[in-house]
Amino acid sequence: QKEVEQDPGPLSVPEGAIVSLNCTYSNSAFQYFMWYRQYSRKGPELLMYTYSSGNKEDGRFTAQVDKSSKYISLFIRDSQPSDSATYLCAMSPYNNNDMRFGAGTRLTVKP
Amino acid sequence: DVKVTQSSRYLVKRTGEKVFLECVQDMDHENMFWYRQDPGLGLRLIYFSYDVKMKEKGDIPEGYSVSREKKERFSLILESASTNQTSMYLCASSLYPPERKGYTFGSGTRLTVV
Repeated sequence: QKEVEQDPGPLSVPEGAIVSLNCTYSNSAFQYFMWYRQYSRKGPELLMYTYSSGNKEDGRFTAQVDKSSKYISLFIRDSQPSDSATYLCAMSPYNNNDMRFGAGTRLTVKP
Repeated sequence: DVKVTQSSRYLVKRTGEKVFLECVQDMDHENMFWYRQDPGLGLRLIYFSYDVKMKEKGDIPEGYSVSREKKERFSLILESASTNQTSMYLCASSLYPPERKGYTFGSGTRLTVV
């Protein structure tokens, strides 16, 4: 079993849809949870950063962490074609030197 | 704008060649990392460094070595390239402690070994 599981998709939605991306994990030591967005032929860029459980909102993006279920989510409201990218979840324990990444979900938002 | 710069976007090398991948960051970050990214496998850590001349093995160090002679530069070396090392290679850097900023990645080097 992988330490971080993420459905690779691909996921295709119409413009304006609400998108839900999810990851599960097995290591209860993870405390920092992140979502990265990776456009084609680019490196990942940090999108959302959350410490421990709870919700965090930034514009159209909401990150949720449920440590009791070992489950994290990223919601995108009013999705746009520019949101088309691969989204990777990432998580680490007490420091930043042992970050584990999901395999990434490829999202396409169609106009 | 802070940056992690990888010297090559695309490389084609022959089996058995020694390959150098260079990475430079301008953010004065302590930590630097090398990952490879393969479809369905995500990002796998090859090596990381938390200080000049310091290095730690990641999950898949076999066939690779690294060098960090200066704080801003972290090099990945393929001692004798093989076809199974064809991949996208990503360099990243971060502060320690992370200060909620995660990693900053370069744009990647797509290496093909023929």
